[in-house]
Amino acid sequence: QLQLQESGPGLVKPSETLSLICTVSGDSISSNNFYWGWIRQPPGKGLEWIGSLYSSGSPFSNPSLKTRVAMSVDTSKNQFSLTLYSLTAADTAVYYCARHMSIRGVFDFWGLGTLVTVSS
Amino acid sequence: DIQMTQSPSTLSASIGDRVTITCRASQSIGTWLAWYQQQPGKAPKLLVYRASNLEGGVPSRFSGTGSGTEFTLTIGNLQAEDFATYYCQQYETYSPYTFGQGTRLEIK
Repeated sequence: QLQLQESGPGLVKPSETLSLICTVSGDSISSNNFYWGWIRQPPGKGLEWIGSLYSSGSPFSNPSLKTRVAMSVDTSKNQFSLTLYSLTAADTAVYYCARHMSIRGVFDFWGLGTLVTVSS
Repeated sequence: DIQMTQSPSTLSASIGDRVTITCRASQSIGTWLAWYQQQPGKAPKLLVYRASNLEGGVPSRFSGTGSGTEFTLTIGNLQAEDFATYYCQQYETYSPYTFGQGTRLEIK
């Protein structure tokens, strides 16, 4: 059974950089040419797609966040990562990693999510 | 961006009821629409893809219809575990993928 697990700091200061890792278990991240994405949810609010990347790289992201987002894949560790720069309080959210099977694919497996709070 | 608008924002119903949630897209998305269910404190769970296809393991009391700009999710014979928040998502374009604002289904 495929499982995804987010990890990273729970608290980050404003203007600093957030780095999150999603560890995939139950399947190889580079098999079957899946896509791997990040979605966030501010407390009490809706879902916002941040970005995704193909198993061989090639990231693409939400234009509203594009200038602050970087993503990468580490196939040797079966992980993919999200870096978000220049944080503000508006970036406080639960961050989820998820899989989608194609570029026109729904998010069919999700991690449990990790809460990131941006505060001094 | 393609805007997704759900109605109602909150829906009150009783166990055994049949309810319908509507999702409208700001432009045609064909049938590139998914529905998710989110329980409090949990990750969203995929229910429906391509507007009307049930994900494996999803009870048949859930059904999705629609194409173009108007879509519905219907839940028949509501069970206790169905009270949650529901989101639609378009994936006709990835620039960006967008979600509706959510519909909270609560017990009357």
